[in-house]
Amino acid sequence: AQSVAQPEDQVNVAEGNPLTVKCTYSVSGNPYLFWYVQYPNRGLQFLLKYITGDNLVKGSYGFEAEFNKSQTSFHLKKPSALVSDSALYFCAVRVISGSARQLTFGSGTQLTVLP
Amino acid sequence: DTGVSQDPRHKITKRGQNVTFRCDPISEHNRLYWYRQTLGQGPEFLTYFQNEAQLEKSRLLSDRFSAERPKGSFSTLEIQRTEQGDSAMYLCASSFGQTNTEAFFGQGTRLTVV
Repeated sequence: AQSVAQPEDQVNVAEGNPLTVKCTYSVSGNPYLFWYVQYPNRGLQFLLKYITGDNLVKGSYGFEAEFNKSQTSFHLKKPSALVSDSALYFCAVRVISGSARQLTFGSGTQLTVLP
Repeated sequence: DTGVSQDPRHKITKRGQNVTFRCDPISEHNRLYWYRQTLGQGPEFLTYFQNEAQLEKSRLLSDRFSAERPKGSFSTLEIQRTEQGDSAMYLCASSFGQTNTEAFFGQGTRLTVV
């Protein structure tokens, strides 16, 4: 079974400061990893993904994430936070092999960027 | 708009009634997913179609739930004899190609069972 943990329900950061939203995963195989963002009353928007190759993945809106296989982590980062980054962030995993196609999501982290 | 479209956006129904939701995926996408999201939680997988074939169903999908994707285009999710515990946001997503491609989500249908 695959699972995702987002250990922080809430992250607060001042505008202009770097931000990190944490994610760890558990799979029985090699993972595909994704980050999505959800604004109020909106669907999920894709930010970035790790498939293979370079452990540092760059995505939309200046976000990036670092895949760490030994720590089974895929933390989301941004060098300089904006107030408009305030939203709910979800990490998700899908295994590469097998018949399963669904994404398994974490419980989400509410990011608040303070002006 | 070329994104994933869901209808209706909101549905309020009385307990025991049947409801049906529709999802129109991005036109070239062969894979379609239904998820359920409750407040404060991440989306939970319900079911998955590849073209018109329903290939996976979650244990969350009780026998009151049924999904179809005739002709491999739009999909419907029906809930029979709704219960208050069915109140949630129902999300549809679609993707194309291999398992490494990202899924694109619709804005969801918010169901309230009273």
